[in-house]
Amino acid sequence: GAVVSQHPSRVICKSGTSVKIECRSLDFQATTMFWYRQFPKKSLMLMATSNEGSKATYEQGVEKDKFLINHASLTLSTLTVTSAHPEDSSFYICSARPLAAYYNEQFFGPGTRLTVL
Amino acid sequence: AQKVTQAQTEISVVEKEDVTLDCVYETRDTTYYLFWYKQPPSGELVFLIRRNSFDEQNEISGRYSWNFQKSTSSFNFTITASQVVDSAVYFCALNNAGNMLTFGGGTRLMVKP
Repeated sequence: GAVVSQHPSRVICKSGTSVKIECRSLDFQATTMFWYRQFPKKSLMLMATSNEGSKATYEQGVEKDKFLINHASLTLSTLTVTSAHPEDSSFYICSARPLAAYYNEQFFGPGTRLTVL
Repeated sequence: AQKVTQAQTEISVVEKEDVTLDCVYETRDTTYYLFWYKQPPSGELVFLIRRNSFDEQNEISGRYSWNFQKSTSSFNFTITASQVVDSAVYFCALNNAGNMLTFGGGTRLMVKP
């Protein structure tokens, strides 16, 4: 149980286009989902926290107009990178916290590798 | 504010050697949770262990063992008789009573045959 999927796993796009990444909790409901960004050989940095039905909370330095987050249901959150540029190329990982999280557990998706040409 | 420090950025060992990955944390909370994750080249985070702040018992799982010392704010991870398949980046992380999960910088372990 507690499986989180991400789609797509890998995407290559041209500069200026927008890319949507989906994060789904497959066998549990998640009130809270998290989006992380990881540059090569670096650690995971929290970008934003999204709660179902409300606006996402962005970490300092993360442009909310650049990284649009929608958490429309208890099993789906999306991250849209708008007008992507090469510097947005990174590994994006989502995680989901179950409704009945006992240990503040977060279950991670497999990640999406974004390359912007 | 909370912080996790993994001082070793890269470790290289030869297969069958034991290796310890260090993790030191800072938090003002009395209730918190510590985690270790493995990130192989595929990128997917693999959960290894969770420990809460009230449980200082050390844990052993096969070739893996963890030493939690509140007095030194450390949560070190030892791999015994390392194998090539252990090569990965290992992250230590801290979660307080809220939502925030803070990761350390990671330690890249290379196990050579």
